[in-house]
Amino acid sequence: AQKVTQAQTEISVVEKEDVTLDCVYETRDTTYYLFWYKQPPSGELVFLIRRNSFDEQNEISGRYSWNFQKSTSSFNFTITASQVVDSAVYFCALRRGTGTASKLTFGTGTRLQVTL
Amino acid sequence: GAVVSQHPSRVICKSGTSVKIECRSLDFQATTMFWYRQFPKQSLMLMATSNEGSKATYEQGVEKDKFLINHASLTLSTLTVTSAHPEDSSFYICSAPSTKAGYNEQFFGPGTRLTVL
Repeated sequence: AQKVTQAQTEISVVEKEDVTLDCVYETRDTTYYLFWYKQPPSGELVFLIRRNSFDEQNEISGRYSWNFQKSTSSFNFTITASQVVDSAVYFCALRRGTGTASKLTFGTGTRLQVTL
Repeated sequence: GAVVSQHPSRVICKSGTSVKIECRSLDFQATTMFWYRQFPKQSLMLMATSNEGSKATYEQGVEKDKFLINHASLTLSTLTVTSAHPEDSSFYICSAPSTKAGYNEQFFGPGTRLTVL
């Protein structure tokens, strides 16, 4: 069985602070994909990143960075110099195998509130 | 990216009526689509996998007679909530795995907010 745990239910930071959202996953598969999605108040899910199980390189995209560590089954997401527009619910998700038609298993989400 | 649309974006109906939600892949074909339900402040829960030309696969605990799914073409899947009741009020989201070259993820529709009075 696959499982994704996002232990942080809600995080509140002041603008310009850095914030890290944790994601821990469980799977018996050797080939899998990990994802992060952002869900702003409008409700539409916004794709942020995809990482396959064989690529442990960290990735940086602007103010966003991701740290994938297979040894601890974690795929954490850091926002540097947070902004009010970053306020949203962030979901980590796991997909088995390489087929895009495989199911996604979502974590419970972390609600991020960035205030001035 | 790839585009998935949903219609309607918001619907309010009376208890006992049926509501149909459409999910379309606009610029790619999708033999498989997924339907999720999201209650306020909760995660997305997969309801069913919609398969073009065959029956949908429902997740455990989801009533197939309550939530009718029809995947009539390679670009359209519909979810019909039959005899809706207030407890069916939720945010329904569909997704489709992209078949476009260079993409290896599911694309999500904007969601449909259902309110049953």
